[in-house]
Amino acid sequence: QSALTQPASVSGSPGQWITISCTGTSSDVGSRDLVSWYQHHPGKAPKLIIYEVTKRPSGVSNRFSGSKSGNTASLTISGLQSEDEAEYFCCSYGSSVLYVFGTGTEVTVL
Amino acid sequence: QVQLRESDPGLVRPSGTLSLTCTVSGASITSSDWWTWVRQTPGKGLEWIGEVYLRGSPNYNPSLKTRVSMSVDKSKNQFSLSLNSVTAADTAMYYCARIGVPHYVDSWGQGILVTVSS
Repeated sequence: QSALTQPASVSGSPGQWITISCTGTSSDVGSRDLVSWYQHHPGKAPKLIIYEVTKRPSGVSNRFSGSKSGNTASLTISGLQSEDEAEYFCCSYGSSVLYVFGTGTEVTVL
Repeated sequence: QVQLRESDPGLVRPSGTLSLTCTVSGASITSSDWWTWVRQTPGKGLEWIGEVYLRGSPNYNPSLKTRVSMSVDKSKNQFSLSLNSVTAADTAMYYCARIGVPHYVDSWGQGILVTVSS
C-alpha cells in the first residue's frame, strides 16, 4: 500500500481557517472510518488530534475538526494561531499494511 | 498520562541488527493490547513497521516481515524491536507508540534517530 497523499504545505493568516486533505484508496481511507490526524512539532512527540475521522481526544481544541468523503479525509483548522505551525499527518487503518500514513503537510502561519 | 521513550542503540553497522526498546511510564503496558513501531525517513516518510499484541501474535509490515521481530516484557513495562540485516536504507527516526481502540495511534515517543553506517 502506498502512502496517503497530502499537500506538502499549507499556509494561512492568524484567525483564518485552512484545510488539509489526505487522499488514499478504497482499501484504506475509503474502506472504513478509521482515519486519524496528528500534529508534530520538531523534536517533540507527535500528538493525536483527531481519530475515527471526526472525534477529538479530550483536551484538543475544538478548532480542529475532521471529515471524510470517499477516499479523501480532511483536517480543518479554524481560527489559525501561531502555535498551530507544525507538521500534520494523517493515518488510516489499512489492509495488508495495517497503518498507512500520509506524506505530511507543513502548516505555516503567516 | 502515558509516556514512551525509545532507547538509543548508538551506531548500527551495515548487515548488523538494530535493537530498540521502548519504556512505557505513566501507565501499565497492559493499558493497551497493541503497541507499535513506526519509522520516518526523508525519502519515504512515515512507515509502519509492525505491532506487538499482548494477547497473541505480532503483525508486521509485509515489506519488513522477513527481517523484523517484536516482543513485550510486561515485568519491565517495555516492548522491543529487532531489525536484522540492516542497510543504509534503514537509517531513520524510529518511534514507539501505543495503539488505541479502534486502530489509531494515541500516544507516541519522541523518537530516536538511528544511523546505519560503517
